[in-house]
Amino acid sequence: QTTLKESGPTLVKPTQTLTLTCTFSGLSLSTSGVVVGWIRQPPGRALEWLTLIYWDDEKHYTPSLKTRLSITRDTSKNQVVLTMTNVDPVDSGTYYCAHRANYDGSGIMFDLWGQGTLVTVSS
Amino acid sequence: DIQMTQSPSSLSASVGDRITITCRASQSITGYVNWYQQKPGKAPKLLIYAASSLHTGVPSRFSGSGSETDFTLTISSLQPEDCATYYCQQSYSTLLTFGGGTKVEIK
Repeated sequence: QTTLKESGPTLVKPTQTLTLTCTFSGLSLSTSGVVVGWIRQPPGRALEWLTLIYWDDEKHYTPSLKTRLSITRDTSKNQVVLTMTNVDPVDSGTYYCAHRANYDGSGIMFDLWGQGTLVTVSS
Repeated sequence: DIQMTQSPSSLSASVGDRITITCRASQSITGYVNWYQQKPGKAPKLLIYAASSLHTGVPSRFSGSGSETDFTLTISSLQPEDCATYYCQQSYSTLLTFGGGTKVEIK
């Protein structure tokens, strides 16, 4: 059974760097075809895709946040780490990591999600 | 970026009704659209992928259709447990985007 779980601080001050960790089991990011993404959701608002990391370390970022985001993987720990610099209160919300569904030829969609972690940016 | 515009933003319907949610892409995305259901306080769940394929375990009352820029999610007979917010997502580009969501309520 594949599971994902996000962890990290619940409160971050403006201008600080936010670091979130996605720890997963039942899958390996060194296995061909595996992709993990981060998606966030401000309170009461829509989902927003942030970034993807592939099994071969290919990475993609949403253009509007590209300069502030970084995604890395630690295959030995089964973890993916999201870093966001210079946070602002508008970055508050629930952050999810998710696993790409194995539907070849259909692009990237997510079939398994973590429970999400709520981050508040406030002084 | 490819923009995904959903309508309506909310709807209210009775149990047993057939409802349709629309998603329009800002450019042709052929059939690369996926649909999710999200209940309050929970992570989204994948319902439909590649415009019309039902994800494993999803009830058959859910269906998807469309191509190019216009897509629909249909619930053939609304059930109380379908009370949720529904999102479309394009996977044509690796720069993924979601629609703004449609909140479905039961009358």
